[in-house]
Amino acid sequence: EVQLVESGGGLVQPGGSLRLSCAASGFTFSSYEMNWVRQAPGKGLEWVSYISRGGSTTYYADSVKGRFTISRDNAKNSLYLQMNSLRAEDTAVYYCAREGIRFGELIDAFDIWGQGTMVTVSS
Amino acid sequence: DIVMTQSPDSLAVSLGERATINCKSSQSLLYSSNNKNYLAWYQQKPGQPPKLLVYWASTRESGVPDRLSGSGSGTDFTLTISGLQAEDVAVYYCQQYYSTPYTFGQGTKLEIK
Repeated sequence: EVQLVESGGGLVQPGGSLRLSCAASGFTFSSYEMNWVRQAPGKGLEWVSYISRGGSTTYYADSVKGRFTISRDNAKNSLYLQMNSLRAEDTAVYYCAREGIRFGELIDAFDIWGQGTMVTVSS
Repeated sequence: DIVMTQSPDSLAVSLGERATINCKSSQSLLYSSNNKNYLAWYQQKPGQPPKLLVYWASTRESGVPDRLSGSGSGTDFTLTISGLQAEDVAVYYCQQYYSTPYTFGQGTKLEIK
């Protein structure tokens, strides 16, 4: 079964750090581009970050640039998000999401999502 | 950044009727080199992650019922749900993946009238 499972969320004080992980299974992880997307309580979806298949190319939303770092370990089938200098407005469910491939073609849309991990930034 | 604007914000439709959700982008999502619109639609039910419904603006994802369809090109797109069923109650989002930052519409909440 194709699956993404996030972990590492929790309660952290403003200014603190957390590292989220996303474990992939059921597919060749190294063949797929990956993203993090977040959703604040009761709000819509916000794209956070992207990483290429080999990890050499990354992009970030302006709201997290300089504070968050996306990375991956293809040998461990894992995606990560290092979050530093956390703010109250970073409180959200964080999802990892895969960019799909159909008939050998990248479709870029997010075809597989994890269940999410909750990050709460509060004193 | 490309701004995605959905309308309406919420929608109540009777069972068996048609629901139409619109999405407008602040710039064209049509990539001239391959003639594809970089627009996707997602469905999110309470407590669940989003589910991909449509990509390339009109290509239905495998397993998605054919009563859901996407259309449009350039800057104006539509998700149509024909023969509304109770299971369609959800929030629907459009997303552009033409360029980063990838952006989502604000969501449209679909309910049964």
